[in-house]
Amino acid sequence: DQQVKQNSPSLSVQEGRISILNCDYTNSMFDYFLWYKKYPAEGPTFLISISSIKDKNEDGRFTVFLNKSAKHLSLHIVPSQPGDSAVYFCAATLVNRDDKIIFGKGTRLHILP
Amino acid sequence: SQTIHQWPATLVQPVGSPLSLECTVEGTSNPNLYWYRQAAGRGLQLLFYSVGIGQISSEVPQNLSASRPQDRQFILSSKKLLLSDSGFYLCAWNSGVVYNSPLHFGNGTRLTVT
Repeated sequence: DQQVKQNSPSLSVQEGRISILNCDYTNSMFDYFLWYKKYPAEGPTFLISISSIKDKNEDGRFTVFLNKSAKHLSLHIVPSQPGDSAVYFCAATLVNRDDKIIFGKGTRLHILP
Repeated sequence: SQTIHQWPATLVQPVGSPLSLECTVEGTSNPNLYWYRQAAGRGLQLLFYSVGIGQISSEVPQNLSASRPQDRQFILSSKKLLLSDSGFYLCAWNSGVVYNSPLHFGNGTRLTVT
């Protein structure tokens, strides 16, 4: 049962344009969402997060949008840069605070020159 | 500053052999500790997590086990490896005190079972 879904395995975007990575979730009890970036042979690194009480959080080139009614969040990267080429994981935590963090399958982003 | 160490970086083991992967965290106390596995097409799968010494929660029934003998040490083990245990294993920690503290990952262990 995949509670956090990233339905696009890969995405290619021209350098300088906007990259939009999507994530859907099924459990309405999730109260906090995070995005991680992962390069090959390395552990993921935290990018940005958003609480379920907000609908937008921005940090430099990265913005996360949350649509609770649709159970959907997205990560916008603008402008996209070559170093953004990586796998991006969406993750969510549960409101009962059992400290579990559930990840999606990831989306591989390719930034084209 | 906090650091997480995970070793070995790569491991090739025959089917049926035992496994022990170790993870240690420095610079923090009473962290939550996690073991994840990244397998092809399955993203980051949570295997075990621990909120304190001797406390282990298992997420996926399998032939792996975890132990936390010390506050900042987390060990992933198996008595007999299966081919399906191949994958990229990641240890992670976050604060057990700070609400919604992000996970910090180690650099991972690439396990190949032959």
